[in-house]
Amino acid sequence: DQQVKQNSPSLSVQEGRISILNCDYTNSMFDYFLWYKKYPAEGPTFLISISSIKDKNEDGRFTVFLNKSAKHLSLHIVPSQPGDSAVYFCAASARSNFGNEKLTFGTGTRLTIIP
Amino acid sequence: DAGITQSPRHKVTETGTPVTLRCHQTENHRYMYWYRQDPGHGLRLIHYSYGVKDTDKGEVSDGYSVSRSKTEDFLLTLESATSSQTSVYFCAISEGRGRRADTQYFGPGTRLTVL
Repeated sequence: DQQVKQNSPSLSVQEGRISILNCDYTNSMFDYFLWYKKYPAEGPTFLISISSIKDKNEDGRFTVFLNKSAKHLSLHIVPSQPGDSAVYFCAASARSNFGNEKLTFGTGTRLTIIP
Repeated sequence: DAGITQSPRHKVTETGTPVTLRCHQTENHRYMYWYRQDPGHGLRLIHYSYGVKDTDKGEVSDGYSVSRSKTEDFLLTLESATSSQTSVYFCAISEGRGRRADTQYFGPGTRLTVL
């Protein structure tokens, strides 16, 4: 049961244009969301996050939007650059009475920026 | 970058042999995690630790065991490796302040091939 879904395995975008990566989730207990970027032969690196009390978070060229009613979040990259070519993972965590936290990851979207 | 190292970085082994992967951190973070990454599955949690000698199972724990005798080291053991355990293994750490999900930081990965 995939609780975090990235339905587009790949995406190609022209350099300088906007890249939009999408993520859907099913668990209504998720209240914190993250995006990771992964280059080949490297570990994932944290990119940006958003709490469910917000609907938007911005960091430079990267903006994450959260639509709680639709259980949907998206990552916008503007403008797209060749170095943005990577696999992007969406991740989510749920409130936990125990206190420790686990992340549930999507299957990833491979973004290719075309020069 | 978070100080996380994984060893070995590459390993080829034969079915039925035991294998131990090591994760070492210099950040004194409370939480440590082991994931595997496979095509079409994203990152899946194997086991995690919330303190020295405190561990718990993730979603794909069968065939794996872990140990954490020191804050800085988290070992993943495949008692009897199978071909289905061929994968890329990532260690991650999280500071884990309070009850909130903290961002996880990943190591560089270990590519394991079981023949």
